Amino acid sequence: AQSVAQPEDQVNVAEGNPLTVKCTYSVSGNPYLFWYVQYPNRGLQFLLKYITGDNLVKGSYGFEAEFNKSQTSFHLKKPSALVSDSALYFCAVRPSNQAGTALIFGKGTTLSVSS
Amino acid sequence: DGGITQSPKYLFRKEGQNVTLSCEQNLNHDAMYWYRQDPGQGLRLIYYSQIVNDFQKGDIAEGYSVSREKKESFPLTVTSAQKNPTAFYLCASRNSPSPQETQYFGPGTRLLVL
Repeated sequence: AQSVAQPEDQVNVAEGNPLTVKCTYSVSGNPYLFWYVQYPNRGLQFLLKYITGDNLVKGSYGFEAEFNKSQTSFHLKKPSALVSDSALYFCAVRPSNQAGTALIFGKGTTLSVSS
Repeated sequence: DGGITQSPKYLFRKEGQNVTLSCEQNLNHDAMYWYRQDPGQGLRLIYYSQIVNDFQKGDIAEGYSVSREKKESFPLTVTSAQKNPTAFYLCASRNSPSPQETQYFGPGTRLLVL
């Protein structure tokens, strides 16, 4: 079955420190990978995506993610966390050989950045 | 959230009542989606539509119905058959069936049972 795993329900970091939110996936064929962020009682905001090419993808608000095919991972990173980064983060995948299908989401990771 | 509107922001349902959640987009997107979000469970797909007058069931379609009579509109009805409807409902749209295209989300509707 195709799936996305976010192994940490919560990640806690201090402001100014680097952060990593982990994501691993299982799909048939090559994956298209996405990260979204959700603030309380709001919709999901798109952060970045990996389609092809450079394994390091840069996105909004200083976030980046690294695609690792051998480890089937797509971890979200930021060099220096801000308190305003505190939110719920979702990793999602869509197999490249399945046009038209919806994204498959992980269960989400709550990021808490302390001042 | 820009370009996709959902209404109302909060909706209260009485026992045995059908309620309809609105989703409208002005992005000229072909595909539209409905997800249900429960705490700790991520997003689960209810229904999706790739073109007007066509839609498919997602993973948890039981107790829900949809229509796609216009490209810009994809309303979701929560029927009385849905026994546990309390959740946050998110509508999304995408420019084309291409798997590379980004999916964008509306602001959501929170449904509560009285």
